[in-house]
Amino acid sequence: EVQLLDSGGGLVQPGGSLRLSCVASGFTFSSYSMSWVRQAPGKGLEWVSGISGSGDITYYADSVKGRFTVSRDNSKSTLYLQMDSLRAEDTAVYYCAKDRRVPATPNPWGQGTLVIVSS
Amino acid sequence: QSALTQPASVSGSPGQSITISCTGTSSDVGGYNYVSWYQQHPGKAPKLMIYDVNIRPSGVSNRFSGSKSGNTASLTISGLQTEDEADYYCSSYTSSSTIVFGGGTKLTVL
Repeated sequence: EVQLLDSGGGLVQPGGSLRLSCVASGFTFSSYSMSWVRQAPGKGLEWVSGISGSGDITYYADSVKGRFTVSRDNSKSTLYLQMDSLRAEDTAVYYCAKDRRVPATPNPWGQGTLVIVSS
Repeated sequence: QSALTQPASVSGSPGQSITISCTGTSSDVGGYNYVSWYQQHPGKAPKLMIYDVNIRPSGVSNRFSGSKSGNTASLTISGLQTEDEADYYCSSYTSSSTIVFGGGTKLTVL
């Protein structure tokens, strides 16, 4: 059974940084791309970033390009999202998700981790 | 990349059928068959209900079906049940190698 455990969320001040982690199990981690998707309180889903199985290709939404960095450690079956220069509008539940050969169909999703950007 | 367009809400009675539309452009919905539909209950992570326009993952009821015509995809739920009440989101792969979601549709089962 595929399991994804998101962690690393919390309260951070505007302009600050945070690193999210997602530990995966139940599948060959390096064979799949991974995606990060977020959901602001009471709002819809927004795809944030994706990374190829090998980690050599990364993808970003325009809203986070230049501020967020996605990476992975296949030896630890762990996905990361480094978030810098955080803004109030980055406040959301962040979900990691297993994807396909390229980010196209996130499934399944982790339980999510809440990031609050506030002073 | 603009969000795909979905109706904010739809409703139906138990046993009825409803359809949720999802309109994009030729750079996303119209250009690729990587259209998916997700169901989300309050406080829960989204669950994949349809992928590649019309394929149901194992374990998803055959009451859920998907289709696409041009730049518009649709999700149909037949034989509505109370447990179908949830938010539904469409998504599509895009020409920018990103994923775009719809704004979401709240389904109320009356």
